[in-house]
Amino acid sequence: DIQMTQSPSSLSASVGDRVTITCRASQSISSYLNWYQQKPGKAPNLLIYAASSLQSGVPSRFSGSGSGTDFTLTISSLQPEDFATYYCQQSYHTPWTFGQGTKVEIK
Amino acid sequence: QVHLQQWGAGLLKPSETLSLTCAVYGGSFSRYSWSWIRQPPGKGLEWIGEINHSGSTNYNPNPSLKSRVTISVDTSKNQFSLKLSSVTAADTAVYYCARVYSHDYVWGSYRTFDYWGQGSLVTVSS
Repeated sequence: DIQMTQSPSSLSASVGDRVTITCRASQSISSYLNWYQQKPGKAPNLLIYAASSLQSGVPSRFSGSGSGTDFTLTISSLQPEDFATYYCQQSYHTPWTFGQGTKVEIK
Repeated sequence: QVHLQQWGAGLLKPSETLSLTCAVYGGSFSRYSWSWIRQPPGKGLEWIGEINHSGSTNYNPNPSLKSRVTISVDTSKNQFSLKLSSVTAADTAVYYCARVYSHDYVWGSYRTFDYWGQGSLVTVSS
């Protein structure tokens, strides 16, 4: 299986901050990388696919970059509704696997 | 608009069989594949498997699921189902159904989970 490792596991930030979350794959996955946001008690919501493509309806403050094994999700200006847990997921090879999550908390 | 509605038993005893169904409203059921994903309390996400409209399946081969999974489809009702046999406490989780959407380009197909059910908490306890 392809292991996905996110860092940090959690972070504290303020509204308006620029936030960056990193995801590393255990082998090259080209750009087959998705990002999801999950709020407590809710299903995950797709933000980014193919490493850098913004899912329809997702605010433009979210962006993704990277290829190969190293990827980042950036929130350019953190908003109150962005406090949540973020997961990366590889779609390069089954079994599809997720990172362990990064919880973004209010400072 | 696409909507996934799931249901099934929420409390099981060890060794019983978990059974969940997901109904799809809106969109074209036959154009997509459909997945099950689970999340133990306070933990991350684990892909269980998927099925397409013709019944072809792809399961997670990992030991935590080790051949206990069956996913089936009923295209006449736009529904798909999950069965997980011989459950233990380790199978306690929120189970989600999801649509697999593929963004197809000349250079590759990028698969995503773009619509999800509301989640079903399944607790295994004696």
